[in-house]
Amino acid sequence: DAMVIQNPRYQVTQFGKPVTLSCSQTLNHNVMYWYQQKSSQAPKLLFHYYDKDFNNEADTPDNFQSRRPNTSFCFLDIRSPGLGDAAMYLCATSGQGGQPQHFGDGTRLSIL
Amino acid sequence: AQTVTQSQPEMSVQEAETVTLSCTYDTSESDYYLFWYKQPPSRQMILVIRQEAYKQQNATENRFSVNFQKAAKSFSLKISDSQLGDAAMYFCAYEAGDNNDMRFGAGTRLTVKP
Repeated sequence: DAMVIQNPRYQVTQFGKPVTLSCSQTLNHNVMYWYQQKSSQAPKLLFHYYDKDFNNEADTPDNFQSRRPNTSFCFLDIRSPGLGDAAMYLCATSGQGGQPQHFGDGTRLSIL
Repeated sequence: AQTVTQSQPEMSVQEAETVTLSCTYDTSESDYYLFWYKQPPSRQMILVIRQEAYKQQNATENRFSVNFQKAAKSFSLKISDSQLGDAAMYFCAYEAGDNNDMRFGAGTRLTVKP
């Protein structure tokens, strides 16, 4: 089945130690998104790629970066994680704007 | 800025009964899309239903239907014949045109009582 896959499901890192979360898709969608979701809150869009075009939300901290080396893969890099970055990180894809987004299972990030 | 408001943090419904979840939004755009997503506990977020703003007809998907009131900027979700598997967090979401910038409401946690 076509899907969005996030690895790992759970990630633990130390305060200030860089961490990378990965997302892959078999849907061949143009758009890939990264969201941060804290407990019992709405997902908050961090950034998205339309093909290779990167679009950063104005309030996304500089600590968060992303890479999309090809259509199938997208990475979220957190350069110096703080305690406030502990959250569920969701990856999603869509064919284009206005179309439904397909979400992965998420990666739950814990900071020690 | 576009905002999405879900005024019901929690709702509960008896199995087999009907429940309506509320959502209002604020926008100056004429071309936009509205969505309801379901997020079961510790599980993947999935699409429940989608509405295109230019369509007057309310979207339906089996037991799920919406009441889209464009002038009032209201987009409620009705779940008929509620099932235990409907228990989840429900998010209302808005996206203007094709700008790939979806905004979510705060969510409504639905409990289904057997």
